[in-house]
Amino acid sequence: GAGVSQSPRYKVAKRGQDVALRCDPISGHVSLFWYQQALGQGPEFLTYFQNEAQLDKSGLPSDRFFAERPEGSVSTLKIQRTQQEDSAVYLCASSPSARKSSYNEQFFGPGTRLTVL
Amino acid sequence: AQTVTQSQPEMSVQEAETVTLSCTYDTSENNYYLFWYKQPPSRQMILVIRQEAYKQQNATENRFSVNFQKAAKSFSLKISDSQLGDTAMYFCAFMKKDNYGQNFVFGPGTRLSVLP
Repeated sequence: GAGVSQSPRYKVAKRGQDVALRCDPISGHVSLFWYQQALGQGPEFLTYFQNEAQLDKSGLPSDRFFAERPEGSVSTLKIQRTQQEDSAVYLCASSPSARKSSYNEQFFGPGTRLTVL
Repeated sequence: AQTVTQSQPEMSVQEAETVTLSCTYDTSENNYYLFWYKQPPSRQMILVIRQEAYKQQNATENRFSVNFQKAAKSFSLKISDSQLGDTAMYFCAFMKKDNYGQNFVFGPGTRLSVLP
């Protein structure tokens, strides 16, 4: 079956523009994660959804970052008034369940590389 | 909070040889998972191997094995018979077990080059 897909793969924005990054998780996956990966760094957690509920947004760096998953499948990460420090690869991952007591494998998408000029 | 450290920014190995990538972590948790992920130039993260902290036996997946030292908080990855396709960034990652969100804490990565 299809894996996690993200679009666009590359996005160039002028400073101050708003951008929207899309994630299509694997069909039926309950959990969805967004990570930010700066150049030469490991991914850092941004936010987590269980179905349509955003249960953890502790990693969002500022109130310019907003994520939604209104129907519990596709998710959009929106960044308002982009700044140069927002330049990074944004990774999405999905997981089939949300059980606390056992490991739920996460499947990653290819990422969206955002460059803010 | 948990932290993950990878002290080797870059490494290289000759094809068919063995290489070990280092990882240390800091946590006060007792129940957790540790992972090694591979990120080839195409950027899609791929799970290499996983270890549950309560299991003393080191995990093995074909040519990949780990040396898990819980007391020392060390989790190194050994790649045997290195292949050109192993060239990638390798990330060590930590995950709390009893965490509904189960998000990863990643290290900064080690860039591995396998030389022909």
